[in-house]
Amino acid sequence: GAVVSQHPSRVICKSGTSVKIECRSLDFQATTMFWYRQFPKQSLMLMATSNEGSKATYEQGVEKDKFLINHASLTLSTLTVTSAHPEDSSFYICSARDPTGRDLSNQPQHFGDGTRLSIL
Amino acid sequence: DAKTTQPPSMDCAEGRAANLPCNHSTISGNEYVYWYRQIHSQGPQYIIHGLKNNETNEMASLIITEDRKSSTLILPHATLRDTAVYYCIVRSLVSNTGNQFYFGTGTSLTVIP
Repeated sequence: GAVVSQHPSRVICKSGTSVKIECRSLDFQATTMFWYRQFPKQSLMLMATSNEGSKATYEQGVEKDKFLINHASLTLSTLTVTSAHPEDSSFYICSARDPTGRDLSNQPQHFGDGTRLSIL
Repeated sequence: DAKTTQPPSMDCAEGRAANLPCNHSTISGNEYVYWYRQIHSQGPQYIIHGLKNNETNEMASLIITEDRKSSTLILPHATLRDTAVYYCIVRSLVSNTGNQFYFGTGTSLTVIP
């Protein structure tokens, strides 16, 4: 099946550090990828939609200058948490939409295994 | 905003069928119903999706009512490894490049030995 790889799986760093998370689609080209955040015992919250070759679309309340998204190729999107603080500690998950052979409404998203970010 | 309603939790005996309901009364005619599950500390795993016909794959069956206002995910022979949070999602078209998924709270399924 379709595979999405996310790296790193866990990051622990000091407050004020910027952290980059990578999301790769391994066996299909993903023009659109998505970034989610999940706090303990809560559901996934969509942060932004990442479109290859154009600016990301951020959900209401998500700071675009805080969470920088780059989607420079059809297989890679990156999320950079700039000047991270303890309140940014969370589980960050990416997904990619597999457009192969289907119309837009009939395209599952495939998720990475997430990155657990801990800011000290 | 999530467009689905699911019971917060369910139990199922190992080896029995697990039937997970989902209400999506405001679903539009061209919106698919997707099911994912999330095992603790992992990313969501795709299970199945459908439009109006019942669907079956190696993991589960999806039964969608004729009026499409609700659906049921069926795990035919639940195992302990099926213990997870199950999410029912109706795909939301925000833009032509979208296909955004908005997750609700899901159903926490516990398979009991």
